[in-house]
Amino acid sequence: QQQVKQSPQSLIVQKGGIPIINCAYENTAFDYFPWYQQFPGKGPALLIAIRPDVSEKKEGRFTISFNKSAKQFSLHIMDSQPGDSATYFCAASPYNNNDMRFGAGTRLTVKP
Amino acid sequence: EAGVTQFPSHSVIEKGQTVTLRCDPISGHDNLYWYRRVMGKEIKFLLHFVKESKQDESGMPNNRFLAERTGGTYSTLKVQPAELEDSGVYFCASSLGGTVPYEQYFGPGTRLTVT
Repeated sequence: QQQVKQSPQSLIVQKGGIPIINCAYENTAFDYFPWYQQFPGKGPALLIAIRPDVSEKKEGRFTISFNKSAKQFSLHIMDSQPGDSATYFCAASPYNNNDMRFGAGTRLTVKP
Repeated sequence: EAGVTQFPSHSVIEKGQTVTLRCDPISGHDNLYWYRRVMGKEIKFLLHFVKESKQDESGMPNNRFLAERTGGTYSTLKVQPAELEDSGVYFCASSLGGTVPYEQYFGPGTRLTVT
């Protein structure tokens, strides 16, 4: 049973566009929500993370929006660049442990 | 500082054979995790070590999988005997100890192909 559902599976945008990746979860014990970025041949790397006490977090061009009542969160990439082309994974875990549950990933392609 | 390393990077074995994957975490990281990603699917949690103890092995598929972390340093994941459905990329990650969600640092993964 997949605990974190991620969409879309793949996404193509033009340079400068704003790709949005969405995730949903069911387990109310989750209260730490990171996003990971993975380039080919590399392992996933933490990009940005949020806890449910805030509805939005920005780090540079990356923003997480969080809707606790809907149990949904999303990643927005402002002014996307070809170098942002990668696979993005959302994840969730309870705050008191690090046992992460991941989404299926979104392969993002940013065209020049 | 060296990151998480995994060996081998690729392994191709026949059904019924045995394979052992190795993970060296970042020095000083008490937590070590194993994950697996089957093509196009989610990165699935397999198990979690705190030092040398198994904290949670609820994600291990079956008793053909055996993970060890002797001495609380590197870890091995043995698959014996391997089946076709075991193919995928096996990731190891490590993080500091404690009760907060410390960042997990991932290795590059081992791509296992069972033919």
